[in-house]
Amino acid sequence: GAGVSQSPSNKVTEKGKDVELRCDPISGHTALYWYRQSLGQGLEFLIYFQGNSAPDKSGLPSDRFSAERTGGSVSTLTIQRTQQEDSAVYLCASSPGQNTGELFFGEGSRLTVL
Amino acid sequence: GDSVTQMEGPVTLSEEAFLTINCTYTATGYPSLFWYVQYPGEGLQLLLKATKADDKGSNKGFEATYRKETTSFHLEKGSVQVSDSAVYFCALSDQDDKLIFGTGTRLQVFP
Repeated sequence: GAGVSQSPSNKVTEKGKDVELRCDPISGHTALYWYRQSLGQGLEFLIYFQGNSAPDKSGLPSDRFSAERTGGSVSTLTIQRTQQEDSAVYLCASSPGQNTGELFFGEGSRLTVL
Repeated sequence: GDSVTQMEGPVTLSEEAFLTINCTYTATGYPSLFWYVQYPGEGLQLLLKATKADDKGSNKGFEATYRKETTSFHLEKGSVQVSDSAVYFCALSDQDDKLIFGTGTRLQVFP
């Protein structure tokens, strides 16, 4: 498809399990972002990849969270030993990386930790 | 650090009413300012933007003016429609494409 694709769209897991969330950005977009959307908390920045530069990980809430971007395209956000407070919608976005401020968002992966 | 504050919702209006959603920001530099919209069941999408002081962004009947003196970027529309019901996010970008978002304001428009 032409847009940002995220999978799974919904994930229910038990506390303590690891989860992986996947993002396929728009082809040719050099920048990729992960945000977390929690009820009443707005969009919380997690991590930002731009080309071959070192990622900006300043928003990751703990060392249980990590992300990688392989080949400058697909990205995976991994949450280890999930906690109930990790329940949220995880949004991925990509952009051409030209400082336009226009991010193209996927529809998100809803994570529920029981 | 940089931050964005926007009015809490929900904002409930009748069709054809005037809309204002307040947004103020804190930034060390001269950020670009944005409004994003999230329609039910859809991903966020850019609604409008302004890149320097006194610029006015506009789209789909919505407007917002970059006010440096009041550090504000309030969203306005003269006559809302039911189809405008959505969550609206104010955001800023200071040095790169990384956006800092507000908490979002839900707008509900009734016929």
